[in-house]
Amino acid sequence: ILNVEQSPQSLHVQEGDSTNFTCSFPSSNFYALHWYRWETAKSPEALFVMTLNGDEKKKGRISATLNTKEGYSYLYIKGSQPEDSATYLCALNTGFQKLVFGTGTRLLVSP
Amino acid sequence: DVKVTQSSRYLVKRTGEKVFLECVQDMDHENMFWYRQDPGLGLRLIYFSYDVKMKEKGDIPEGYSVSREKKERFSLILESASTNQTSMYLCASSPLSTGGNSNQPQHFGDGTRLSIL
Repeated sequence: ILNVEQSPQSLHVQEGDSTNFTCSFPSSNFYALHWYRWETAKSPEALFVMTLNGDEKKKGRISATLNTKEGYSYLYIKGSQPEDSATYLCALNTGFQKLVFGTGTRLLVSP
Repeated sequence: DVKVTQSSRYLVKRTGEKVFLECVQDMDHENMFWYRQDPGLGLRLIYFSYDVKMKEKGDIPEGYSVSREKKERFSLILESASTNQTSMYLCASSPLSTGGNSNQPQHFGDGTRLSIL
Protein backbone atom coordinates (compact mmCIF):
# COMPACT_ATOMS: atom_id res chain seq x y z
CA ILE A 1 0.00 0.00 0.00
CA LEU A 2 1.32 3.43 -0.96
CA ASN A 3 2.35 5.43 2.10
CA VAL A 4 1.10 9.02 2.18
CA GLU A 5 2.59 11.18 4.92
CA GLN A 6 1.36 14.54 6.12
CA SER A 7 3.21 16.99 8.30
CA PRO A 8 2.90 18.51 10.75
CA GLN A 9 0.37 16.37 12.57
CA SER A 10 -1.13 19.47 14.14
CA LEU A 11 -0.64 23.21 13.98
CA HIS A 12 -1.86 26.11 16.10
CA VAL A 13 -1.64 29.61 14.60
CA GLN A 14 -3.03 33.04 15.32
CA GLU A 15 -5.65 34.73 13.16
CA GLY A 16 -3.94 36.50 10.30
CA ASP A 17 -0.93 34.19 10.19
CA SER A 18 -0.13 32.44 6.94
CA THR A 19 0.64 28.76 7.15
CA ASN A 20 1.48 25.75 5.06
CA PHE A 21 1.64 22.02 5.41
CA THR A 22 3.02 19.13 3.45
CA CYS A 23 1.84 15.92 1.86
CA SER A 24 4.65 13.58 0.80
CA PHE A 25 4.59 10.30 -1.09
CA PRO A 26 7.26 7.88 -2.31
CA SER A 27 6.55 7.72 -6.02
CA SER A 28 4.78 9.35 -8.91
CA ASN A 29 2.77 6.21 -9.61
CA PHE A 30 -0.67 7.73 -9.12
CA TYR A 31 -3.28 9.50 -11.20
CA ALA A 32 -4.23 12.47 -9.06
CA LEU A 33 -3.64 14.06 -5.68
CA HIS A 34 -6.66 15.27 -3.70
CA TRP A 35 -6.87 17.76 -0.84
CA TYR A 36 -9.91 17.74 1.48
CA ARG A 37 -10.93 19.91 4.43
CA TRP A 38 -12.72 18.13 7.26
CA GLU A 39 -14.36 20.33 9.86
CA THR A 40 -15.56 18.82 13.11
CA ALA A 41 -19.06 17.31 12.90
CA LYS A 42 -19.18 17.87 9.13
CA SER A 43 -18.29 15.81 6.07
CA PRO A 44 -14.91 16.09 4.33
CA GLU A 45 -15.09 18.68 1.58
CA ALA A 46 -12.97 18.60 -1.56
CA LEU A 47 -10.55 21.51 -2.00
CA PHE A 48 -8.39 20.53 -4.96
CA VAL A 49 -7.65 17.68 -7.34
CA MET A 50 -4.22 17.94 -8.94
CA THR A 51 -2.75 15.77 -11.64
CA LEU A 52 0.28 17.32 -13.28
CA ASN A 53 3.77 18.01 -12.03
CA GLY A 54 3.98 21.73 -11.37
CA ASP A 55 0.20 22.05 -10.98
CA GLU A 56 -0.92 25.01 -8.90
CA LYS A 57 -4.51 25.50 -7.74
CA LYS A 58 -6.10 28.34 -5.81
CA LYS A 59 -9.41 28.83 -4.04
CA GLY A 60 -9.71 32.13 -2.21
CA ARG A 61 -6.97 32.27 0.43
CA ILE A 62 -6.03 28.63 -0.01
CA SER A 63 -3.65 27.36 -2.65
CA ALA A 64 -1.79 24.14 -3.38
CA THR A 65 1.17 23.00 -5.44
CA LEU A 66 2.24 19.58 -6.67
CA ASN A 67 5.76 18.28 -7.32
CA THR A 68 5.53 14.70 -8.55
CA LYS A 69 9.25 14.39 -9.26
CA GLU A 70 10.25 15.06 -5.67
CA GLY A 71 7.10 13.53 -4.20
CA TYR A 72 5.31 16.30 -2.32
CA SER A 73 2.40 18.70 -2.36
CA TYR A 74 2.09 21.87 -0.29
CA LEU A 75 -1.13 23.44 0.92
CA TYR A 76 -0.93 27.15 1.79
CA ILE A 77 -3.41 29.25 3.72
CA LYS A 78 -2.88 33.00 3.54
CA GLY A 79 -4.12 35.09 6.45
CA SER A 80 -5.66 32.23 8.45
CA GLN A 81 -9.10 32.77 9.94
CA PRO A 82 -10.80 30.85 12.78
CA GLU A 83 -13.15 29.28 10.24
CA ASP A 84 -10.12 27.65 8.60
CA SER A 85 -9.79 25.43 11.68
CA ALA A 86 -10.17 21.88 10.41
CA THR A 87 -8.26 18.75 9.56
CA TYR A 88 -6.72 18.89 6.09
CA LEU A 89 -6.46 15.54 4.33
CA CYS A 90 -4.30 14.60 1.38
CA ALA A 91 -5.07 11.51 -0.72
CA LEU A 92 -3.67 9.84 -3.82
CA ASN A 93 -5.85 8.32 -6.53
CA THR A 94 -4.04 5.07 -7.26
CA GLY A 95 -6.42 4.12 -10.04
CA PHE A 96 -10.17 3.82 -10.56
CA GLN A 97 -10.76 6.44 -7.89
CA LYS A 98 -9.23 4.32 -5.14
CA LEU A 99 -7.90 6.89 -2.68
CA VAL A 100 -5.06 6.33 -0.23
CA PHE A 101 -5.24 8.95 2.52
CA GLY A 102 -2.64 10.51 4.76
CA THR A 103 -3.35 10.93 8.46
CA GLY A 104 -4.13 14.62 8.06
CA THR A 105 -2.94 17.90 9.52
CA ARG A 106 -5.14 19.37 12.24
CA LEU A 107 -5.15 23.17 12.07
CA LEU A 108 -6.40 25.38 14.89
CA VAL A 109 -6.64 29.12 14.27
CA SER A 110 -7.10 31.25 17.37
CA PRO A 111 -8.77 34.68 17.21
CA ASP B 1 -25.18 20.18 -4.46
CA VAL B 2 -24.34 16.53 -4.08
CA LYS B 3 -25.88 15.02 -1.02
CA VAL B 4 -24.55 11.85 0.53
CA THR B 5 -26.70 10.76 3.44
CA GLN B 6 -25.71 8.21 6.03
CA SER B 7 -28.58 6.75 7.99
CA SER B 8 -27.21 7.33 11.49
CA ARG B 9 -24.74 9.75 13.06
CA TYR B 10 -24.28 7.56 16.15
CA LEU B 11 -24.93 3.88 16.62
CA VAL B 12 -24.32 1.52 19.52
CA LYS B 13 -24.46 -2.24 18.96
CA ARG B 14 -23.41 -5.35 20.81
CA THR B 15 -20.69 -7.87 19.98
CA GLY B 16 -21.96 -10.54 17.63
CA GLU B 17 -24.82 -8.49 16.20
CA LYS B 18 -25.27 -8.08 12.47
CA VAL B 19 -25.02 -4.35 11.74
CA PHE B 20 -26.16 -2.46 8.67
CA LEU B 21 -24.85 0.99 7.78
CA GLU B 22 -26.79 2.66 5.00
CA CYS B 23 -25.66 5.32 2.54
CA VAL B 24 -27.70 7.10 -0.11
CA GLN B 25 -26.51 9.61 -2.72
CA ASP B 26 -28.73 11.80 -4.87
CA MET B 27 -26.44 12.68 -7.80
CA ASP B 28 -26.64 9.51 -9.87
CA HIS B 29 -22.98 8.70 -9.18
CA GLU B 30 -21.70 5.35 -10.36
CA ASN B 31 -18.92 5.00 -7.78
CA MET B 32 -19.55 4.56 -4.08
CA PHE B 33 -17.10 3.88 -1.26
CA TRP B 34 -16.98 2.91 2.40
CA TYR B 35 -14.10 4.05 4.63
CA ARG B 36 -13.32 3.85 8.30
CA GLN B 37 -11.35 6.42 10.25
CA ASP B 38 -9.47 5.61 13.43
CA PRO B 39 -7.29 7.87 15.61
CA GLY B 40 -3.77 8.19 14.25
CA LEU B 41 -4.66 6.52 10.98
CA GLY B 42 -5.84 7.93 7.66
CA LEU B 43 -9.16 7.04 6.13
CA ARG B 44 -8.96 3.40 5.06
CA LEU B 45 -10.98 1.94 2.22
CA ILE B 46 -13.15 -1.03 3.17
CA TYR B 47 -15.15 -1.71 0.00
CA PHE B 48 -16.16 0.15 -3.12
CA SER B 49 -18.57 -0.29 -6.01
CA TYR B 50 -18.54 0.92 -9.61
CA ASP B 51 -22.08 -0.03 -10.45
CA VAL B 52 -25.20 -1.76 -9.24
CA LYS B 53 -24.47 -5.28 -7.97
CA MET B 54 -20.75 -4.73 -8.38
CA LYS B 55 -18.36 -4.67 -5.44
CA GLU B 56 -14.64 -4.63 -4.96
CA LYS B 57 -12.57 -5.18 -1.84
CA GLY B 58 -10.61 -2.25 -0.54
CA ASP B 59 -7.64 -2.38 1.79
CA ILE B 60 -9.38 -3.72 4.91
CA PRO B 61 -12.44 -5.81 3.90
CA GLU B 62 -12.16 -8.49 6.59
CA GLY B 63 -15.27 -8.72 8.73
CA TYR B 64 -17.36 -6.62 6.34
CA SER B 65 -19.56 -7.12 3.31
CA VAL B 66 -21.51 -4.71 1.13
CA SER B 67 -24.67 -4.57 -0.91
CA ARG B 68 -25.54 -2.39 -3.88
CA GLU B 69 -28.98 -3.33 -5.15
CA LYS B 70 -29.80 0.19 -6.38
CA LYS B 71 -27.50 2.78 -7.87
CA GLU B 72 -28.15 5.36 -5.18
CA ARG B 73 -27.73 3.08 -2.17
CA PHE B 74 -24.61 1.36 -0.83
CA SER B 75 -24.86 -0.62 2.39
CA LEU B 76 -22.02 -1.75 4.62
CA ILE B 77 -22.67 -4.89 6.65
CA LEU B 78 -20.81 -6.05 9.71
CA GLU B 79 -21.63 -9.74 9.68
CA SER B 80 -20.82 -10.32 13.36
CA ALA B 81 -19.77 -7.11 15.04
CA SER B 82 -16.63 -7.08 17.14
CA THR B 83 -15.16 -4.45 19.43
CA ASN B 84 -12.32 -3.75 16.99
CA GLN B 85 -14.92 -2.49 14.54
CA THR B 86 -15.71 0.45 16.80
CA SER B 87 -14.87 3.36 14.53
CA MET B 88 -16.09 6.31 12.45
CA TYR B 89 -17.48 5.08 9.13
CA LEU B 90 -17.66 7.38 6.11
CA CYS B 91 -19.47 6.82 2.85
CA ALA B 92 -18.50 8.64 -0.35
CA SER B 93 -19.56 8.80 -3.99
CA SER B 94 -18.11 10.07 -7.25
CA PRO B 95 -19.07 10.09 -10.93
CA LEU B 96 -17.87 7.46 -13.36
CA SER B 97 -14.31 7.95 -14.55
CA THR B 98 -13.29 7.06 -18.07
CA GLY B 99 -10.19 4.87 -17.99
CA GLY B 100 -10.02 5.03 -14.21
CA ASN B 101 -7.97 8.20 -14.19
CA SER B 102 -10.62 10.57 -12.98
CA ASN B 103 -10.03 14.07 -11.73
CA GLN B 104 -13.34 14.03 -9.92
CA PRO B 105 -13.31 14.52 -6.16
CA GLN B 106 -15.26 12.25 -3.88
CA HIS B 107 -18.32 13.53 -2.01
CA PHE B 108 -18.64 12.37 1.55
CA GLY B 109 -21.43 11.83 4.03
CA ASP B 110 -21.28 13.15 7.59
CA GLY B 111 -20.12 9.80 8.98
CA THR B 112 -21.51 7.24 11.41
CA ARG B 113 -19.76 6.85 14.74
CA LEU B 114 -20.26 3.19 15.59
CA SER B 115 -19.58 1.74 19.02
CA ILE B 116 -19.53 -2.02 19.55
CA LEU B 117 -19.94 -3.00 23.19
